[in-house]
Amino acid sequence: DTEVTQTPKHLVMGMTNKKSLKCEQHMGHRAMYWYKQKAKKPPELMFVYSYEKLSINESVPSRFSPECPNSSLLNLHLHALQPEDSALYLCASSRAGRDTEAFFGQGTRLTVV
Amino acid sequence: AQRVTQPEKLLSVFKGAPVELKCNYSYSGSPELFWYVQYSRQRLQLLLRHISRESIKGFTADLNKGETSFHLKKPFAQEEDSAMYYCALSGRCTNAGKSTFGDGTTLTVKP
Repeated sequence: DTEVTQTPKHLVMGMTNKKSLKCEQHMGHRAMYWYKQKAKKPPELMFVYSYEKLSINESVPSRFSPECPNSSLLNLHLHALQPEDSALYLCASSRAGRDTEAFFGQGTRLTVV
Repeated sequence: AQRVTQPEKLLSVFKGAPVELKCNYSYSGSPELFWYVQYSRQRLQLLLRHISRESIKGFTADLNKGETSFHLKKPFAQEEDSAMYYCALSGRCTNAGKSTFGDGTTLTVKP
């Protein structure tokens, strides 16, 4: 299994809603990532988890809250989002450390209304 | 600060023609460079990375530290190469997925 699976594929939420994005991999990777990608723009790193601990938060607003409950799962909890947060949210995983490669999920297309 | 520059947003070539997608980077340490590709309606996937020195789908890329470049080349483009290509940079002491991406180049290979 060399896939990173993200659910849901699409999500529409209101600005007062609370929702969660989920990401799962069974490749034994101990580094997992959340990226945000706006239309026609490159992915931008949001968070990095290494061995289930948050190692990097790229100054992401607190309305985005990541969680890594175990080595296979990564969640992104969303609360009180703004319309400008609408984007494709990508999850990725890799072996920890260098000399490796990242595997990306298909993404969750989020629309905030 | 690290930065990746892909000067061409769009690149169009005819089938069978050579193609070169440019990538320049700025990084103070030892970088690890990658090319990712995203075909229509598919996920972002790694095409190649400089450290493995492989040729994937006929593409090659050489890291030129003097010119701080990592251009992607293919001698004979195919229609199925049409996609978005991202150059990405990761520090060699960090996790591979912690990458800074260039803005991407959309390659169209015409029949």
